[in-house]
Amino acid sequence: GIQVEQSPPDLILQEGANSTLRCNFSDSVNNLQWFHQNPWGQLINLFYIPSGTKQNGRLSATTVATERYSLLYISSSQTTDSGVYFCAVDPWGQNFVFGPGTRLSVLP
Amino acid sequence: ETGVTQSPTHLIKTRGQQVTLRCSSQSGHNTVSWYQQALGQGPQFIFQYYREEENGRGNFPPRFSGLQFPNYSSELNVNALELDDSALYLCASRGTNTGELFFGEGSRLTVL
Repeated sequence: GIQVEQSPPDLILQEGANSTLRCNFSDSVNNLQWFHQNPWGQLINLFYIPSGTKQNGRLSATTVATERYSLLYISSSQTTDSGVYFCAVDPWGQNFVFGPGTRLSVLP
Repeated sequence: ETGVTQSPTHLIKTRGQQVTLRCSSQSGHNTVSWYQQALGQGPQFIFQYYREEENGRGNFPPRFSGLQFPNYSSELNVNALELDDSALYLCASRGTNTGELFFGEGSRLTVL
């Protein structure tokens, strides 16, 4: 089956810093999403981005489907950005396969 | 707020018991899927229902079963609970014309 890798596995930032999270996947996909999981377990939709670039406030994402990777950019990080960021891909239009996540800690 | 609601939020069971988890999908969404998230890992796909029929299943044994009702709400049933079934169970819904998933807040199951 499809493999999803995320890097880095852990990231510690000072408030105000910028960061880039990467997601690599081993096969072509129909759908790709980025989620933020808060400390209570809620998966919050950040981007639905099978291809192209999107921006939402301090966050933006780019997916290069032909090269099988996606990037999530966080600018001017805040303590509330802390949590785990998951990339999930859907190769057949049926179910999503999640990566192992990037655990982000933003320090005040 | 995704419009996907799950119940109960927390529950404790003992090994060998059975559990039923419930999910109400977002209005207009006819596809519901369930995921299991063990501590420190990413969610893993259990199965998906579309128009009351199971149309996809991950690598989970038959003691994991489900239902989808005409109003598109869904249940996840797990029989003969094992200690390793302790996890966060997440329900997600999506509409016919979109691939985007929306998750509920999850049901945290502890098996003792």
